[in-house]
Amino acid sequence: GAVVSQHPSRVICKSGTSVKIECRSLDFQATTMFWYRQFPKQSLMLMATSNEGSKATYEQGVEKDKFLINHASLTLSTLTVTSAHPEDSSFYICSARDPGATDTQYFGPGTRLTVL
Amino acid sequence: AQKITQTQPGMFVQEKEAVTLDCTYDTSDPSYGLFWYKQPSSGEMIFLIYQGSYDQQNATEGRYSLNFQKARKSANLVISASQLGDSAMYFCAMREGEGGGFKTIFGAGTRLFVKA
Repeated sequence: GAVVSQHPSRVICKSGTSVKIECRSLDFQATTMFWYRQFPKQSLMLMATSNEGSKATYEQGVEKDKFLINHASLTLSTLTVTSAHPEDSSFYICSARDPGATDTQYFGPGTRLTVL
Repeated sequence: AQKITQTQPGMFVQEKEAVTLDCTYDTSDPSYGLFWYKQPSSGEMIFLIYQGSYDQQNATEGRYSLNFQKARKSANLVISASQLGDSAMYFCAMREGEGGGFKTIFGAGTRLFVKA
């Protein structure tokens, strides 16, 4: 079946640095990708919708200058957490929409970010 | 307003018995999809079952079935013959149609504990 990958799976960084997380659809072209964050013992919260070749649409309360999203190709979207702080530590999960016959949304395995 | 409501933060079930996880939703979009995902401690989101708003019959996938009551806006997940490996977080999710940007939003989740 379709696979969505994320890299890295885990990252630890110092406060103030920027971290880039990649999300790739491996065997289909994803016109739309979504980025979620999940705090421990909580649900997935949608951060933004990323459409190939256009600006991302951010959910209310999500700082677009802090969470930069680039969807440069139909198989790759990146999330950059700029000037990371400890409160940005979270589990970030991307998903990619396959607009084919089943219009299915596939999830990546997630990236655990820890900011020291 | 909450669009997806899961009222059971935790559930216990005896191995080999059936369990129902509750989910109610709210939308004005006539076209939507309902999903259930399982999230084990590893963090990956495992797709379990899907129900389209226009589907006449309740969805079934192996031991999983979705009790779809459209008028009540409920989409409960039934797991039959529970296994120890079913212990995990379970999320109900809804994806609205084009009017909702095809975004998938999640409920708060229910943690299921299967007892031996």
